Amino acid sequence: ETGVTQSPTHLIKTRGQQVTLRCSSQSGHNTVSWYQQALGQGPQFIFQYYREEENGRGNFPPRFSGLQFPNYSSELNVNALELDDSALYLCASSLAVQALSTEAFFGQGTRLTVV
Amino acid sequence: AQSVTQLGSHVSVSEGALVLLRCNYSSSVPPYLFWYVQYPNQGLQLLLKYTSAATLVKGINGFEAEFKKSETSFHLTKPSAHMSDAAEYFCAVSDWRAAGNKLTFGGGTRVLVKP
Repeated sequence: ETGVTQSPTHLIKTRGQQVTLRCSSQSGHNTVSWYQQALGQGPQFIFQYYREEENGRGNFPPRFSGLQFPNYSSELNVNALELDDSALYLCASSLAVQALSTEAFFGQGTRLTVV
Repeated sequence: AQSVTQLGSHVSVSEGALVLLRCNYSSSVPPYLFWYVQYPNQGLQLLLKYTSAATLVKGINGFEAEFKKSETSFHLTKPSAHMSDAAEYFCAVSDWRAAGNKLTFGGGTRVLVKP
């Protein structure tokens, strides 16, 4: 079991609402990545935070935003929820030192259902 | 840009038989390659990784994978399937030059183990 924890584990929201998902990274890790995994598909990279700055973004609209805090924990915020946002949201943490990184360790995910 | 193709969305094997999961990648730079396993309602667990050292990589739970540059492949094998191997398996690629291991995943292969 990894030291990456996500909350909540399950969430139901109504279309148009806003949601915040939280991730506590593994001790000693400074990088957090977020992925969206729709049912029956592989995870898709949303964005990554390194030392509190966004460090790369996938093909997701601006209503997906994030934060990383000084303790390296992170939030994923999604505004104006759409039905297609229903998915498992995975957080992964790693340690990046200059150009080298450890492998990513994943949390158990937050299952978001938009109705 | 990088991409991963996993051939076969579902694989059924008998307990004790060989498990072979196929993964082909596309990358303009030497890749880092990974296999992850996902059990129902859980996050991703790293099985093994290739980071430009030995081309035959051994992982946890008896799995191994071989990097073949000429075939752009990284197939996963296990000599003898166990009931506990029933899960979904994802192949992923990352750019070693990019800090933080942004991963591009394949669509996944679900493994069913028959007694």
